[in-house]
Amino acid sequence: ETGVTQSPTHLIKTRGQQVTLRCSSQSGHNTVSWYQQALGQGPQFIFQYYREEENGRGNFPPRFSGLQFPNYSSELNVNALELDDSALYLCASSLGTNNNEQFFGPGTRLTVL
Amino acid sequence: AQTVTQSQPEMSVQEAETVTLSCTYDTSESDYYLFWYKQPPSRQMILVIRQEAYKQQNATENRFSVNFQKAAKSFSLKISDSQLGDAAMYFCAYRNVRGSTLGRLYFGRGTQLTVWP
Repeated sequence: ETGVTQSPTHLIKTRGQQVTLRCSSQSGHNTVSWYQQALGQGPQFIFQYYREEENGRGNFPPRFSGLQFPNYSSELNVNALELDDSALYLCASSLGTNNNEQFFGPGTRLTVL
Repeated sequence: AQTVTQSQPEMSVQEAETVTLSCTYDTSESDYYLFWYKQPPSRQMILVIRQEAYKQQNATENRFSVNFQKAAKSFSLKISDSQLGDAAMYFCAYRNVRGSTLGRLYFGRGTQLTVWP
């Protein structure tokens, strides 16, 4: 059974640029959730995708957008990067949106200069 | 909105001793899930233990157990016989079982646990 993977591991961008982060869900999982973890903070929910549709969104501006593909992998896109977007971005996959466990990937560390 | 509070930014314990990490939460729901996650330096969030609010019995997973006090909205994690590998950041998290926020986890700010040999 393949776990949740994320790419890239680290990324450095400058303010105003755009970035795409990728997540491959665990085998058999059809739901992906994205979280932002700023330094010294707990993760904050960005949004969730279930069967290729957005299924819930946290308090993040529209420049944070996502996609889920037919194989249930997912992308997180952030436009017009700001310094405060520097964080660890975690994705978690699960089977369905109900009360099944979410399995986390190792995260992508984004630094915005 | 649900909030999760961890009032201990850092804790330390001697190897083989017992340590308790505290967590409180705020919700108007009667049914929900509570979790403790461990995040080692590798950054990968690992589920340690889970508690369903409707269950009165406290969850236990080997050396890890919880003290769930629903009326007080308190959910502490006890680690017995601490090992060097337990050193990590520990996060308390909450999740609803119904409604529009069903799929999302709400996390506290974490407690950094140091284990001394």
